[in-house]
Amino acid sequence: EAQVTQNPRYLITVTGKKLTVTCSQNMNHEYMSWYRQDPGLGLRQIYYSMNVEVTDKGDVPEGYKVSRKEKRNFPLILESPSPNQTSLYFCASSFGYGTEAFFGQGTRLTVV
Amino acid sequence: ILNVEQSPQSLHVQEGDSTNFTCSFPSSNFYALHWYRWETAKSPEALFVMTLNGDEKKKGRISATLNTKEGYSYLYIKGSQPEDSATYLCAFNTGTASKLTFGTGTRLQVTL
Repeated sequence: EAQVTQNPRYLITVTGKKLTVTCSQNMNHEYMSWYRQDPGLGLRQIYYSMNVEVTDKGDVPEGYKVSRKEKRNFPLILESPSPNQTSLYFCASSFGYGTEAFFGQGTRLTVV
Repeated sequence: ILNVEQSPQSLHVQEGDSTNFTCSFPSSNFYALHWYRWETAKSPEALFVMTLNGDEKKKGRISATLNTKEGYSYLYIKGSQPEDSATYLCAFNTGTASKLTFGTGTRLQVTL
């Protein structure tokens, strides 16, 4: 089954403790991206990747890192999480830029 | 940050009503316009991706139109059903930056 898989689905962590949210897709998509969803603000793009080893900042990249060492995986790294990073996070992939995005199940992160 | 605006913010209709929503986006450097359907506790799912001025797309009772010259798209739902209750998101790709910018969505509730 074609899908985008995120883990974990839920995470509660403390300020400053490094964490990684994994994202994997099995559709051989070139374009992958991370979004955060906050009430009243819509989905905002954090980082995106056009292909392996090609990543770029979205609209809200501060406090996040990403890497794209393999085509299928695009992990989101929070080196020192802070409470303002409490949010619902989505990973998405698409065949290429400008094509329909397939979303993962979401990760609800709480930083206390 | 590019502005993608959706209206109305929320909508409450009766079963059988037809309804429509608007998405406004910058008309310069247009590349693609997306519509997604997002049900509560699920992930957004693509409805349409449109790239050409005058494009019209249809999927069952849902259809969409695109005007790239004036920067708007309409989503229509004919004969709304309770299962159409969801948030409808539009998103915009430009030709100059590899980002996908989302609006805040229109929340539709259909009651019997």
